[in-house]
Amino acid sequence: NAGVTQTPKFQVLKTGQSMTLQCAQDMNHNSMYWYRQDPGMGLRLIYYSASEGTTDKGEVPNGYNVSRLNKREFSLRLESAAPSQTSVYFCASSPRWSGGSGTDTQYFGPGTRLTVL
Amino acid sequence: ILNVEQSPQSLHVQEGDSTNFTCSFPSSNFYALHWYRWETAKSPEALFVMTLNGDEKKKGRISATLNTKEGYSYLYIKGSQPEDSATYLCALFPKAAGNKLTFGGGTRVLVKP
Repeated sequence: NAGVTQTPKFQVLKTGQSMTLQCAQDMNHNSMYWYRQDPGMGLRLIYYSASEGTTDKGEVPNGYNVSRLNKREFSLRLESAAPSQTSVYFCASSPRWSGGSGTDTQYFGPGTRLTVL
Repeated sequence: ILNVEQSPQSLHVQEGDSTNFTCSFPSSNFYALHWYRWETAKSPEALFVMTLNGDEKKKGRISATLNTKEGYSYLYIKGSQPEDSATYLCALFPKAAGNKLTFGGGTRVLVKP
């Protein structure tokens, strides 16, 4: 059982380049999330997918797009990378969106460390 | 947006000593409070989920309490060990429409041998 996997683990981009971060989970979870982590700021939600076929903006969506390809996979795309997008990106999943009244634990992937020059 | 504050931002603890740190929130208008542990170069992992005022949870040497009336949760580490070195994240799931798990900035704990 791999849990949540992310690729790549590291990436360096030049300003203006595009790339897609891949995420997959094998726990049959309905909900998936993309976060970014910056020093001293905790985890900030970029986009989420409450269930297959739906996506919604989180706290910091500008400059990003997402695709929920199927129940397992949720990708994050940077169309034109900027230095402000240098960060560590985490994908997570949970069994349900707001099921259990917010008590569902989120399971995180290992992260992608992205540097934009 | 429900503001989640964690203090201190970082702390150093001598091996064997006990320590605690705080997650503060301005309102009890949330469904659940989560604690996550995040070791360097690894994924954040769930420690506890608490929902009721007065909740206490324990996992080995780590425990947590929740006081929704006064707006805080404490995480305690008893007899700290080097393997306890990590960043501890607190997060709330608010009752507001469009609710999403909202994280605090974390407390980074370094246990010195």
